[in-house]
Amino acid sequence: GDSVTQMEGPVTLSEEAFLTINCTYTATGYPSLFWYVQYPGEGLQLLLKATKADDKGSNKGFEATYRKETTSFHLEKGSVQVSDSAVYFCALSDYRDDKIIFGKGTRLHILP
Amino acid sequence: GAVVSQHPSRVICKSGTSVKIECRSLDFQATTMFWYRQFPKQSLMLMATSNEGSKATYEQGVEKDKFLINHASLTLSTLTVTSAHPEDSSFYICSARDTEIYGYTFGSGTRLTVV
Repeated sequence: GDSVTQMEGPVTLSEEAFLTINCTYTATGYPSLFWYVQYPGEGLQLLLKATKADDKGSNKGFEATYRKETTSFHLEKGSVQVSDSAVYFCALSDYRDDKIIFGKGTRLHILP
Repeated sequence: GAVVSQHPSRVICKSGTSVKIECRSLDFQATTMFWYRQFPKQSLMLMATSNEGSKATYEQGVEKDKFLINHASLTLSTLTVTSAHPEDSSFYICSARDTEIYGYTFGSGTRLTVV
């Protein structure tokens, strides 16, 4: 079945460092891809999404490109801030079965 | 944008009692809502899919008699944890599919502690 694999954390970076969180997926169809962020004690917020190959999702300085050839959707940010500390989930959804499948999440710590 | 409101955000209950968690779509209609459970430092586990006007679809291993789901209207789904026990303590999150943004919007979660 469909699945999402993302790099395990925690990831610890200094403020203003460059961030990459890897995400790869397996899917039989043509899924939409998402990155969600979860701050401590809160639910999930949609960070960005891409619905077809070569689409680039971007929001709050984060971006990710839907790469069909490598089945990847890596999350990047050029200069992280302390406020970016959270857990990031990569996810895919194939609307044929109306479910969203999550990766295991990557905890990010940004040090001042 | 689409907003899903989930209440309560925190609840502490005694073992053996039942707890109801509400999930409302505030500015859109959601024919389908989803209930997740999240253990500490782990990913989300889909518990069930809630369908307006029909029975919920439970994932394998989830006790449907313990986790009662009702989706009585296009904007409200409820999860009732019946005869709660300490092992039911967890973070429960609902979500709804928003066809406008072509994605899923999540509630803020409910921290359930059973003592």
